[in-house]
Amino acid sequence: QVHLVQSGSEVKKPGASVKVSCKASGYSFTSHGISWVRQAPGQGLEWMGWISTYNTNTDYARKFQGRLTMTTDTSTSTASMELRSLTSDDSAVYYCARVVVYEVFDSWGQGTLVTVSS
Amino acid sequence: DIVMTQSPDSLAVSLGERATINCKSSQSVLYSSNNKNYLAWYQQKPRQPPKLLIYWASTRQSGVPDRFSGSGSGTDFSLTISSLQAEDVAVYYCQQYYDSPRTFGQGTKVEIK
Repeated sequence: QVHLVQSGSEVKKPGASVKVSCKASGYSFTSHGISWVRQAPGQGLEWMGWISTYNTNTDYARKFQGRLTMTTDTSTSTASMELRSLTSDDSAVYYCARVVVYEVFDSWGQGTLVTVSS
Repeated sequence: DIVMTQSPDSLAVSLGERATINCKSSQSVLYSSNNKNYLAWYQQKPRQPPKLLIYWASTRQSGVPDRFSGSGSGTDFSLTISSLQAEDVAVYYCQQYYDSPRTFGQGTKVEIK
């Protein structure tokens, strides 16, 4: 059974960085990419980017380029997402999701709440 | 970016009745070389991550009840719940994966009338 388990909630000050991890189990980690999607309180879903777990190629949404980095560690089947220069607009639940069928998300982590507040 | 617009924003349907959600993309998500529509549907219940229901516009994900169906092509799509059950109360999102950035509709909230 596919499981994606994310790291715990974070509280950060404006200007800081946050790193969220996503540990995968139940499948071959390098067979599927990982995407990150965020959801601001009471809002919809926003795709942030994708990373290949096979060759670490990335595709970031333009709005995050320059302050977003996605990485993988195949030895621990873990994907991570680091977002820098945080503002209050970055307060959201961040999800990792397994990518299948080009870029459809068939399994999701439980979500990590990131709160940016002074 | 491809803009996905869903309608309505919310709808209330009686138990056992049909619910239909529409999704319109700002440009076609039909890839002519394979004749596939790069369109997926997700269900999100409160305090849960989204769940994949439909991909390729009409292919049901394994384990999804057959009361959920997807249709449409090009720029206009629909998700239909043929007989609404209490457990179907949720927000539903369409998503295009034709181009980057992948984009979602704003969501449609389905409630019981």
